[in-house]
Amino acid sequence: AQTVTQSQPEMSVQEAETVTLSCTYDTSESDYYLFWYKQPPSRQMILVIRQEAYKQQNATENRFSVNFQKAAKSFSLKISDSQLGDAAMYFCAYRSPSGTYKYIFGTGTRLKVLA
Amino acid sequence: GAVVSQHPSWVICKSGTSVKIECRSLDFQATTMFWYRQFPKQSLMLMATSNEGSKATYEQGVEKDKFLINHASLTLSTLTVTSAHPEDSSFYICSAFPGQGSYEQYFGPGTRLTVT
Repeated sequence: AQTVTQSQPEMSVQEAETVTLSCTYDTSESDYYLFWYKQPPSRQMILVIRQEAYKQQNATENRFSVNFQKAAKSFSLKISDSQLGDAAMYFCAYRSPSGTYKYIFGTGTRLKVLA
Repeated sequence: GAVVSQHPSWVICKSGTSVKIECRSLDFQATTMFWYRQFPKQSLMLMATSNEGSKATYEQGVEKDKFLINHASLTLSTLTVTSAHPEDSSFYICSAFPGQGSYEQYFGPGTRLTVT
């Protein structure tokens, strides 16, 4: 069975600085999808970024980018130029390419942004 | 696009009563919908997977007779918490998946259930 691990329960970053959130996973599948979701205080889950395992190029979305290391089964999220609005819980998720389409979530990292 | 709504956003009910939560995909059809439960400061815990027109698949440890799920159409799934007790108080989130060829699940805004 697949597992997702987020080893940082909480992180802090100064406004305008860069922070990296860690995520590792375990799977025997060669093809899969990885996601980072943001959950602000409103608790609405917001997709931050998505990575397909068959793509070697790291995904980027504006200030958000990932470092996808398939062999190491690592999928970290880098937030550049951190803003106060980035403060939230961040969840890493894994999804198989077929079957039930369900997510395996990590335990989350709470990001605090300091003014 | 890809909006999912949940109703109600907040509900209070008395112990022993039942409460129904609706999850709708507003601008797409969802072959699969998921129901999650989230305790404060914790991750989302998958309760069940529902496919339109078939019985829901419950995760281990989830009481299917307490948490009734109906996926009556490609845009609507409901979760009914039967004979609710205070320990059922939680935040319930649904998500919808458009089907093969899609990448991500689309999440509703969640429903806060308080059982008194």
